[in-house]
Amino acid sequence: GESVGLHLPTLSVQEGDNSIINCAYSNSASDYFIWYKQESGKGPQFIIDIRSNMDKGQGQRVTVLLNKTVKHLSLQIAATQPGDSAVYFCAEKEPSNTGKLIFGQGTTLQVKP
Amino acid sequence: DAGVIQSPRHEVTEMGQEVTLRCKLISGHNSLFWYRQTMMRGLELLIYFNNNVPIDDSGMPEDRFSAKMPNASFSTLKIQPSEPRDSAVYFCASSGRNYGYTFGSGTRLTVV
Repeated sequence: GESVGLHLPTLSVQEGDNSIINCAYSNSASDYFIWYKQESGKGPQFIIDIRSNMDKGQGQRVTVLLNKTVKHLSLQIAATQPGDSAVYFCAEKEPSNTGKLIFGQGTTLQVKP
Repeated sequence: DAGVIQSPRHEVTEMGQEVTLRCKLISGHNSLFWYRQTMMRGLELLIYFNNNVPIDDSGMPEDRFSAKMPNASFSTLKIQPSEPRDSAVYFCASSGRNYGYTFGSGTRLTVV
């Protein structure tokens, strides 16, 4: 049937809990990956990135895990806060020199106080 | 650094009118990307430039859409004539050598 709009996966967590957002990427040759956060009415904001020669990266309260075997990327947010409520996108860089990023459809994170 | 600056923030126009969206890149970035975001299709890449040269415009929906980069710091996306189905939020993003994109705040276009 005809699509009536994107159905974004939604993750609902309690404030203070840890959140894990998952992403499957498409190109096994992609060499760079980024997670973005988009709040309502704003543009996507960079959270954390990882290169394909790594399997883990860490920032403040965030961790990115890369599993190249199954082409899977995850974002872990520790001690989730209400301000973390947003849509989260993963992106993979095409294996070329031009830097073109391909974005996933996004996951909505809802944090319950 | 003021980041990527887009103007206008909101644009309401009548069907058939020309619309021009503007984007100022971050100083020193050499790649520029125009995206469109809708509920139906999510975040779509329309066109991107590298060192002022259009690299891939396969995402531009129709000939009514055109984009230019007259210098290293500025780009425009033009829609002529505009149609109601063009209503969306249009983002530009710039990138430097580390490939991480920085997005602007977007232009919300409504065509009535």
